[in-house]
Amino acid sequence: QSVLTQPPSVSGVPRQRVTISCSGTFSNIGNNGVSWYQQLPGKAPKLLIYYNDRVRPGVSDRFSGSKSGTSASLAISGLRSEDEADYYCGAWDDTLSDSLFGGGTKLTVL
Amino acid sequence: QITLEESGPTLVKPTQTLTLTCTYSGFSLTAFGVGVGWIRQPPRKALEWLALIYWDDDVRYSPGSKNRITITKDTSKNQVVLTLTNVNPVDTATYFCVHSVTTGSFDFWGPGRVVTVSS
Repeated sequence: QSVLTQPPSVSGVPRQRVTISCSGTFSNIGNNGVSWYQQLPGKAPKLLIYYNDRVRPGVSDRFSGSKSGTSASLAISGLRSEDEADYYCGAWDDTLSDSLFGGGTKLTVL
Repeated sequence: QITLEESGPTLVKPTQTLTLTCTYSGFSLTAFGVGVGWIRQPPRKALEWLALIYWDDDVRYSPGSKNRITITKDTSKNQVVLTLTNVNPVDTATYFCVHSVTTGSFDFWGPGRVVTVSS
């Protein structure tokens, strides 16, 4: 069971806005930057968001990140079929001295 | 542009030592703040960070694997090597080499190396 908690799945229809949550503690999300990754089937993960809300250059501005306290969220607006993938949050944990990932969220575009 | 590529065996027997090599290009591992590390993903499971080595030879290991893992670098060859001793079937995973310039964030990934531990 991951220290960072994500919902196993979310779904939406094209053009809709969806959010994926990531819950942690003070020693990880609360005190460090959160990153978000997209993993398409059979591919390596791709960094989308770093430092909580900074969109990586080259990534669509339909993706955005936010953080409040010990929780973070990834929002995807204008949902498209090509957004169907697994999404992971990640953060360093000061107490564990470990780089943590969430359990992953499978996004289905209906 | 930055690229990383993993190489090594695809099948390892239990109790053996797994050695994976990451060959990188497009950056220098002697540049301030740069790190190269390893992350693995068991089949149909989540990502798991294993280790990271920095430009200044500082190394960090995941607490869960630190007793069995060693990470080293050879900047003359642009390579980073991961060694995992006494492997067992739970080490079956895709192993990714990653580039990092921000703690806890990995901005470039290799395509991954599928490793199976089985007798």
